[in-house]
Amino acid sequence: EVQLVESGGTLVQPGGSLRLSCAASGFTFSNFWMGWVRQAPGKGLEWVANINEDGGVEYYLDSLRGRITISRDNAKNSLFVQMNSLRGEDTAVYYCVRLDCRGPSCPFDSWGQGTLVTVSS
Amino acid sequence: QSALTQPASVSGSPGQSITISCTGTSSDIGGYNYVSWYQQHPGKVPKVMIYDVSERPSGVSNRFSGSKSGNTASLTISGLQAEDEAHYYCSSYTGSNILLFGGGTKLTVL
Repeated sequence: EVQLVESGGTLVQPGGSLRLSCAASGFTFSNFWMGWVRQAPGKGLEWVANINEDGGVEYYLDSLRGRITISRDNAKNSLFVQMNSLRGEDTAVYYCVRLDCRGPSCPFDSWGQGTLVTVSS
Repeated sequence: QSALTQPASVSGSPGQSITISCTGTSSDIGGYNYVSWYQQHPGKVPKVMIYDVSERPSGVSNRFSGSKSGNTASLTISGLQAEDEAHYYCSSYTGSNILLFGGGTKLTVL
């Protein structure tokens, strides 16, 4: 069974930094693109970033580029996102997702339960 | 890039069919077959219902179907059931490998 377990969400002050982690199990992690999607309280889904199988290719939402870095450790079956210069609008549940890229649309076929990041003073 | 445009809400009675639209541009929906649809029940994580415009993942009911015309994609749910009541989100990659989500549509089964 595919499992994605996020951790690291907490209350952080504006301007602060945070690193979220996602522990993957139940599949061959190094064979899949992975990503992060966030959802502000009561709001819709917003894609954050994707990373390819070996970590050599990264894609980011334009508005987050420069403040966010996605990375992975295939030896530890782990996905990460480093977030800097955090703002109130970054407050959201952050989901770790697996991409199924057998077809062109690479849907997110597995989701973690999410970890809540709250940016507030 | 702007989010894809979806109606805020749609409703239908059990047994009826409904369609949710998702409008983008020629740089995303219109240019590529990269459309997916997700269902999210309250307090739950999203679930992919349609990918590659019209493909259904294994285990998804054939009451769910997808299509595309020009810059607009559509999700149709036939034979509405109470369990279909949820939020639905469309998504599409752009030519720059940026993923856009729609704002979401709340489906109410009357």
